[in-house]
Amino acid sequence: DAKTTQPNSMESNEEEPVHLPCNHSTISGTDYIHWYRQLPSQGPEYVIHGLTSNVNNRMASLAIAEDRKSSTLILHRATLRDAAVYYCILRDLNTGNQFYFGTGTSLTVIP
Amino acid sequence: EAGVAQSPRYKIIEKRQSVAFWCNPISGHATLYWYQQILGQGPKLLIQFQNNGVVDDSQLPKDRFSAERLKGVDSTLKIQPAKLEDSAVYLCASSFPYLRGGGELFFGEGSRLTVL
Repeated sequence: DAKTTQPNSMESNEEEPVHLPCNHSTISGTDYIHWYRQLPSQGPEYVIHGLTSNVNNRMASLAIAEDRKSSTLILHRATLRDAAVYYCILRDLNTGNQFYFGTGTSLTVIP
Repeated sequence: EAGVAQSPRYKIIEKRQSVAFWCNPISGHATLYWYQQILGQGPKLLIQFQNNGVVDDSQLPKDRFSAERLKGVDSTLKIQPAKLEDSAVYLCASSFPYLRGGGELFFGEGSRLTVL
């Protein structure tokens, strides 16, 4: 199954943009890129997903490299409530199975 | 809309004892997942159900862990006998049947197990 690589931790100042990178060099043509985040003492929650084109929603933006071997989750203005562990996950287009989390990036937001 | 319900929230047992966790998914969600999250690690998928059939249990330690989803709604995850390394948060998630590319997972708050 395809793997993702993320930095263990990142810091950002409050109200500044945050760019969270994810490498997935072995991604296949049938893998969607999903992002989830986990706030302290809570279960993970969905953030965004995409296949090839950049995606935007009310929470974040997802920028996908042209070769799809990397992607970046963009939080446009970090708030203290965005402090969480962010997971980048590949999901098979056809089956949706094997929804495996990695170790994620722990984001600290500095007031 | 009610979320994914899990119980108990906390459980402390001695090693070699047994424990069971219960999950009630969001109404209409045919797909149900159990994850194990050890402190400091990402969630690890234990088992995935589609209705009452198992889709993926490749990472379930079948010598001590079992799960069932009778009638395709509620699910129970059992550990018997428990080991120290089973101390973790057990997360249940549910989703609608997988849609091409999408299918957001909704997670419960988890059941925290401590094995002494």
